[in-house]
Amino acid sequence: ELKVEQNPLFLSMQEGKNYTIYCNYSTTSDRLYWYRQDPGKSLESLFVLLSNGAVKQEGRLMASLDTKARLSTLHITAAVHDLSATYFCAVISGGSNYKLTFGKGTLLTVNP
Amino acid sequence: NAGVTQTPKFRVLKTGQSMTLLCAQDMNHEYMYWYRQDPGMGLRLIHYSVGEGTTAKGEVPDGYNVSRLKKQNFLLGLESAAPSQTSVYFCASSPGPSPLHFGNGTRLTVT
Repeated sequence: ELKVEQNPLFLSMQEGKNYTIYCNYSTTSDRLYWYRQDPGKSLESLFVLLSNGAVKQEGRLMASLDTKARLSTLHITAAVHDLSATYFCAVISGGSNYKLTFGKGTLLTVNP
Repeated sequence: NAGVTQTPKFRVLKTGQSMTLLCAQDMNHEYMYWYRQDPGMGLRLIHYSVGEGTTAKGEVPDGYNVSRLKKQNFLLGLESAAPSQTSVYFCASSPGPSPLHFGNGTRLTVT
């Protein structure tokens, strides 16, 4: 059974600081996703990471994937208040049913 | 382009009542999914479908049934609602191994 663990689950940070969210998963997978969810809203896709060493960047967010370590990171650079949200990583199961298993999410609060 | 539409947006049920949640997508996606989201639990897969006429169980299927009679629609039924089914339900679709497109969610309260 695929397990996905995120840490930290809660992150409070000041504007302008850097931080990293970690996502570990238990079995081999060939793609990993990062999503953002604002309070009371749906989930928005941020990144898809397809191979070992993949790195994607969008604005102040950068995601990377190490398939050998079964680890993905979401790095936040010089945080701003608008980044406050819950961030989920999700890993696709093997086979052709394309099931996504989600981590429990990291609630990020950026304080002025 | 509507994407993934869920109805209703909110619903309150009494214990033992039944209801159906409707998910409709207009992107011609093969794959559709129902997740539930509870505080501190992330999203957990209830049932999914890999094409019209197919359904399969996910991680937490008990107490729910689904049907995919038409490619664009995926229905989630609660046969006899229980307070433990109080949750936010999200439907999602995808054409394959690509990011899921999520609906806006249905907030269900069972009293």
